[in-house]
Amino acid sequence: SAVISQKPSRDICQRGTSLTIQCQVDSQVTMMFWYRQQPGQSLTLIATANQGSEATYESGFVIDKFPISRPNLTFSTLTVSNMSPEDSSIYLCSAYKSVGSYGYTFGSGTRLTVV
Amino acid sequence: AQTVTQSQPEMSVQEAETVTLSCTYDTSESDYYLFWYKQPPSRQMILVIRQEAYKQQNATENRFSVNFQKAAKSFSLKISDSQLGDAAMYFCAYRRGAGGTSYGKLTFGQGTILTVHP
Repeated sequence: SAVISQKPSRDICQRGTSLTIQCQVDSQVTMMFWYRQQPGQSLTLIATANQGSEATYESGFVIDKFPISRPNLTFSTLTVSNMSPEDSSIYLCSAYKSVGSYGYTFGSGTRLTVV
Repeated sequence: AQTVTQSQPEMSVQEAETVTLSCTYDTSESDYYLFWYKQPPSRQMILVIRQEAYKQQNATENRFSVNFQKAAKSFSLKISDSQLGDAAMYFCAYRRGAGGTSYGKLTFGQGTILTVHP
């Protein structure tokens, strides 16, 4: 299965600033997703990162706050913009390769603290 | 919209014993996939087992097996001979079959924290 490198693993940021999280997959994948997870809670899908086009956002998440890029089939970024303490959370990316596997690979997550 | 419910926020088991984690889901689809993921404190999501809805046979992976009851929309995970390394948060997840705008998306349950006592 694919392996994802997610960076940074953690960061502490000032409110009002932005942070970009990167995910690099070691092989081409069909789909990439971004999730948010409060510690000890479930994963909530933010958006599907579409290669070469705008991401598809879930209800409650908007592009201005969480711009996403996916320039090719192995790389995606999520930016958390104009951060507030409420954005403190764990952010995970996930990749899905439809050919040959029904499984998903997840990055190790980015623990973000906004102060 | 599909929903996944895990009604047990926490479970505990003695080492070498068996434990069952519950999961129910709601869907109008006939083609879908179900998964159990394990998330240890490292945050890494690890696939434990998956089940295709069209398969009547319950999936098994070594000490892990599922009881898939399609009509009841139930998908429980049984862990046999529990080990200390099994301690983690366990998530049940649903994915619809091919096609449609929500293709590929995983819907997760709330999670169950499993503690293994030595």
